[in-house]
Amino acid sequence: SAVISQKPSRDICQRGTSLTIQCQVDSQVTMMFWYRQQPGQSLTLIATANQGSEATYESGFVIDKFPISRPNLTFSTLTVSNMSPEDSSIYLCSARESNEKLFFGSGTQLSVL
Amino acid sequence: DAKTTQPPSMDCAEGRAANLPCNHSTISGNEYVYWYRQIHSQGPQYIIHGLKNNETNEMASLIITEDRKSSTLILPHATLRDTAVYYCIVDGTSGTYKYIFGTGTRLKVLA
Repeated sequence: SAVISQKPSRDICQRGTSLTIQCQVDSQVTMMFWYRQQPGQSLTLIATANQGSEATYESGFVIDKFPISRPNLTFSTLTVSNMSPEDSSIYLCSARESNEKLFFGSGTQLSVL
Repeated sequence: DAKTTQPPSMDCAEGRAANLPCNHSTISGNEYVYWYRQIHSQGPQYIIHGLKNNETNEMASLIITEDRKSSTLILPHATLRDTAVYYCIVDGTSGTYKYIFGTGTRLKVLA
């Protein structure tokens, strides 16, 4: 089973600033994904992080707001840009091989004041 | 949109079996059914998955109907630590391998 390390685990940020969340997998994986979980809600897929190319965003999410990098098969970052209180959520990194189950990091709890 | 529907909440007595249903009437022939759970605000934890046959592991059993339009996750002897939100997911959407989560079932195990 892959182990996913995500940091920071939590942060409190001021509105208008940006936060970059890092996700490190202990083995090479084909696919990495970023999810958002707003308070009391289910998980919403933000984007698929593609190695060596631009991420694929889901409806309602744009690159300017949530730029994603994936320089190699074990690492990805998600930036939450120009934050507002509405961005207060848990952000989760996940990874999988094409025919294997999805693994999740422990999440980043973000509070925006 | 999620391809699954689940009851929003269920209660179960400690030590009894917890049976969590999931409807996935539009499932395709090559799509698997996965179950995950999320305790507090931790990352979701994999439980079990299946294609068409019933499956069992150390955590749970998965019963998939013959027409594959629904399934049931069974926790044979629920404990207080099984209190969590349980998500049923149909995987393999159009070959993109991304998971779309539904609203899940909040299971409360009662002492």
